[in-house]
Amino acid sequence: NAGVTQTPKFQVLKTGQSMTLQCAQDMNHNSMYWYRQDPGMGLRLIYYSASEGTTDKGEVPNGYNVSRLNKREFSLRLESAAPSQTSVYFCASMGGRGDTQYFGPGTRLTVL
Amino acid sequence: LAKTTQPISMDSYEGQEVNITCSHNNIATNDYITWYQQFPSQGPRFIIQGYKTKVTNEVASLFIPADRKSSTLSLPRVSLSDTAVYYCLVGRSYNTDKLIFGTGTRLQVFP
Repeated sequence: NAGVTQTPKFQVLKTGQSMTLQCAQDMNHNSMYWYRQDPGMGLRLIYYSASEGTTDKGEVPNGYNVSRLNKREFSLRLESAAPSQTSVYFCASMGGRGDTQYFGPGTRLTVL
Repeated sequence: LAKTTQPISMDSYEGQEVNITCSHNNIATNDYITWYQQFPSQGPRFIIQGYKTKVTNEVASLFIPADRKSSTLSLPRVSLSDTAVYYCLVGRSYNTDKLIFGTGTRLQVFP
């Protein structure tokens, strides 16, 4: 049982490049989340998905798109990366009501 | 969505009890209160969750007064390894899964 996995662990992009961050969970959870964490700061919710086939905006969705490919996978796409998107990105999943979030190890993204 | 307010930082010494309070004046009837711990370069990790009164597990205790407008995470006899950021999260009401973290409390434990 791997829990929540994220790929890649590290990535360096140039301004304007695009990339997709992958997240998968093997706990059969309904809800999945993408957060970003800037150095020395707290977590900010980018997008979340309450169930397969649905996605909703969080606090800071601009510049990102998401896809809930199936119940296991939730990807985050940066269409045109900007230096302001340099951050650590965490994916999380949650089972049902009263459950807690389980976080992945994070993806460290640098945009030059 | 309930907004949370926590102290930005706290200092303690090994062996002491640490209490971190979180204010959440706009908590909804169905909201739970959850605390997470985060070490540098790692994702947050669940510590404890409660709805009302007191909850205790092997790691911590959570005290919630009757009006539920605040909660206190209590860490007994902290050690150096408890140095981390602690987040209070209020949510899980029945009509939304949108979970927003507050700024967290940075706990520094000294020998």
